[in-house]
Amino acid sequence: QQQVKQSPQSLIVQKGGISIINCAYENTAFDYFPWYQQFPGKGPALLIAIRPDVSEKKEGRFTISFNKSAKQFSLHIMDSQPGDSATYFCAGHVDYKLSFGAGTTVTVRA
Amino acid sequence: GAVVSQHPSRVICKSGTSVKIECRSLDFQATTMFWYRQFPKKSLMLMATSNEGSKATYEQGVEKDKFLINHASLTLSTLTVTSAHPEDSSFYICSARVRGRGADTQYFGPGTRLTVL
Repeated sequence: QQQVKQSPQSLIVQKGGISIINCAYENTAFDYFPWYQQFPGKGPALLIAIRPDVSEKKEGRFTISFNKSAKQFSLHIMDSQPGDSATYFCAGHVDYKLSFGAGTTVTVRA
Repeated sequence: GAVVSQHPSRVICKSGTSVKIECRSLDFQATTMFWYRQFPKKSLMLMATSNEGSKATYEQGVEKDKFLINHASLTLSTLTVTSAHPEDSSFYICSARVRGRGADTQYFGPGTRLTVL
């Protein structure tokens, strides 16, 4: 079963806007939550990650918000650019393994 | 950052043949490598975990006799799809866990597109 549920499946945002992707998890043993960005025909690239003892992490235009009690976390992409158009995957990590969400395809319109 | 390469990037083969895909960590030693399979517009599905010098651990539902994994060194793991059939056509991606750093960091290769005719 999918241990990490991700939404929305896709979203369209105007250049300069904010993209928000949400994930929820069930496995409380997860100890690390990375986000990956994948372009068509390429492998995923680590974007940003957070540990469950931190509520927010920001790196440039990318911010993760983490709510441990609700077992939810989200990725915010600020000032979205056409180059951000890609598929984004959230994941939960435990025992050296990653469980991925279903992915969100983000399209940034110029 | 840590770099992982895969070879070949794409391969087309006839049904019944075997195909080998290589995964290399270029600038670090990888204690553990992972093999994933990804269908179009779908998420990554973990197939197996390979540790250097030991047998791979396969996820439930993955045929270990069909997908042979060898992790001969700290920088190389191979996946061999034996007697490939059209349903094996997919995007295969490896990742490597960086040795000596946080155990939770996986770096992914660029993927290999397998098409079985």
